Amino acid sequence: DVVMTQSPLSLPVTLGQPASISCRSSQSLLYRDGNTYLSWFQQRPGQSPRRLIYQVSNRDSGVPDRFSGSGSGTDFTLKISRVEAEDVGVYYCMQGVYWPPITFGQGTRLEIK
Amino acid sequence: QVQLVESGGGLVKPGGSLRLSCAASGFTFSDHYMSWIRQAPGRGLEWISYITSSGSATYYADSVKGRFTISRDNTKNSLYLQMNTLRVEDTAVYYCARDPDTANKVDYWGQGTLVTVSS
Repeated sequence: DVVMTQSPLSLPVTLGQPASISCRSSQSLLYRDGNTYLSWFQQRPGQSPRRLIYQVSNRDSGVPDRFSGSGSGTDFTLKISRVEAEDVGVYYCMQGVYWPPITFGQGTRLEIK
Repeated sequence: QVQLVESGGGLVKPGGSLRLSCAASGFTFSDHYMSWIRQAPGRGLEWISYITSSGSATYYADSVKGRFTISRDNTKNSLYLQMNTLRVEDTAVYYCARDPDTANKVDYWGQGTLVTVSS
């Protein structure tokens, strides 16, 4: 199975400051069609997950542009340019290239300092 | 807009059975593969099962293989998860999720339904 490793697991951030979450996969997520399939999800407290980013860097509709994704191969990053209070929650990366199983990172809990 | 609404969760004793349902709307259900993903209390996300658009092929995580069965009824825009021989460690919120395409695998999620396995 492809292992997804996130860091840090806990991320205290001051409002208005940037935040960065790393995700590393145990195999390259470059698919045979030439695209790289790595998604990021946000789970706010008490809510179901919501996809923010797909194929490394594409923002879903309605996702603020302070969220951005980057990376290639096995190393990926989710960045928030200026953290707002509504960004509190747990962030997960996910791969769907090598399945089954579809695999998620352990999650990174973002909190306000 | 895409909506996924799970139902059927509840309290069940170890060894018991439960059937979850997921009602889909806002998209052409029969065009999409679908997944069940669960989250144990205070834990991360675990994919457990996947079904193709026609229902002709199904896939399972090792943790549920042989005990859970995924199915769908495209005439009713519904996804199901039959859970047998339930264990305490199956306690979780169960989400249905849509596969948008290719290797993206998951985009929209339902609100989840809680399954508690306890004596």
